[in-house]
Amino acid sequence: GAGVSQSPRYKVAKRGQDVALRCDPISGHVSLFWYQQALGQGPEFLTYFQNEAQLDKSGLPSDRFFAERPEGSVSTLKIQRTQQEDSAVYLCASSLVDPSGANVLTFGAGSRLTVL
Amino acid sequence: AQSVAQPEDQVNVAEGNPLTVKCTYSVSGNPYLFWYVQYPNRGLQFLLKYITGDNLVKGSYGFEAEFNKSQTSFHLKKPSALVSDSALYFCAVRVPSGYSTLTFGKGTMLLVSP
Repeated sequence: GAGVSQSPRYKVAKRGQDVALRCDPISGHVSLFWYQQALGQGPEFLTYFQNEAQLDKSGLPSDRFFAERPEGSVSTLKIQRTQQEDSAVYLCASSLVDPSGANVLTFGAGSRLTVL
Repeated sequence: AQSVAQPEDQVNVAEGNPLTVKCTYSVSGNPYLFWYVQYPNRGLQFLLKYITGDNLVKGSYGFEAEFNKSQTSFHLKKPSALVSDSALYFCAVRVPSGYSTLTFGKGTMLLVSP
């Protein structure tokens, strides 16, 4: 596609519910990142995929957070037993692989999760 | 560990005046530095990056940024602000490697008044 697509754009969940957030990256982008942006804060890294391999999940805040990218394209971020502190905008970004690290990340519009 | 500081929560400037949004960074080794802009209900949009070479980097929409290694700064500038420049601006840093995390500052809200 022309850009990174995320769905749903808005999600309201009751505390304790499970949620799944979808990211459809730019076609051909090998790298995929998930970030969490709390209100009034900058994006914070959650996890990184290169193709289907999850190379870094050091930013996931707890074992309630799980991400997958089984076929190396679409990715899903799942949050189990949601808590109020999970309320945030979840941003997905994709990029080409660049060994130098100079590649630019293209971000989606985000999924805004509100946990009541 | 790498980090970015954006010391101003908000910058106010009148249309037509020059603007500066400040950013300082901390990283081991040489940094790659980026500026992104975020409009309401939209994702982050890339403005410009510094990788190597000329310390003055020019980007989209007339923005530029100056890399200063001695001051570990990468301030965003524009000679003449537009009302449409009003948005949230993020500075980010990463280290040169095959894979490294892009670390963001907390953001600076730029408000340009008519």
